[in-house]
Amino acid sequence: SQKIEQNSEALNIQEGKTATLTCNYTNYSPAYLQWYRQDPGRGPVFLLLIRENEKEKRKERLKVTFDTTLKQSLFHITASQPADSATYLCALDSSASKIIFGSGTRLSIRP
Amino acid sequence: DTAVSQTPKYLVTQMGNDKSIKCEQNLGHDTMYWYKQDSKKFLKIMFSYNNKELIINETVPNRFSPKSPDKAHLNLHINSLELGDSAVYFCASSQDYSLAEQFFGPGTRLTVL
Repeated sequence: SQKIEQNSEALNIQEGKTATLTCNYTNYSPAYLQWYRQDPGRGPVFLLLIRENEKEKRKERLKVTFDTTLKQSLFHITASQPADSATYLCALDSSASKIIFGSGTRLSIRP
Repeated sequence: DTAVSQTPKYLVTQMGNDKSIKCEQNLGHDTMYWYKQDSKKFLKIMFSYNNKELIINETVPNRFSPKSPDKAHLNLHINSLELGDSAVYFCASSQDYSLAEQFFGPGTRLTVL
C-alpha cells in the first residue's frame, strides 16, 4: 500500500540556521507533492506544491525539492526564525483520488 | 472573512449521543472534504464531495454521514458516538477535485465521554 513518511517527529534547531525536513514515500509515483504548516489548535495551511516534473520550487525563505528517483521531497526553511516553529506536513496525491498526509515534523526554532 | 468555517469549535458529549458538525466555505470552491486528526496528529481523509456529489468515502463507520445541501456546505453527522470518535475533525475545500491546494477550517475538537 502507499506509504508516506516524515522521518523526524521533531526537529530542534538554532535561529538563523537552515531547517531541512524530509518526506519519503513508497509504492506510488505521485503527480505532485504538497507541504502544509500546522500551528497548535489550527488547521493546516498550504505552503507549496511541487509537480513530478519539477526539481525545485521556492517561495521566499522556503524551498522544496522533489526527487522522483529517490521518492523523496526535502523542505528547507532558510534563515529560520522562532515564528517558523510549527508542525510541517507533507502530502501527496494517491492513486485513489485522495491526498495522503504524512504524520508531520514538529519544528522548534530556538532563539 | 473566514474562508472555511466550522461550528462548533469544541464539542463534548456522552457516548451514544448523535451530533453534527457544520462546515461552510465562501471561496466558491467545488470540492469539500472531511478529515479526522487523531491524538498522534495523523490527518486522514474521511469524505470528499465535488459539486454536492460524494466522490470519496473512506473506510469510515456508517455511523458517520456527510451531507452537502449545496456546494458551499458540507456537514458531518455522527450517530451513536463512541469513545474512539474523540479527535479533531477538519473540514477543507479546494477549487476542484484535482487534489490541488486545500484550504482547511479551524477544526472541531470532539470529546466523547
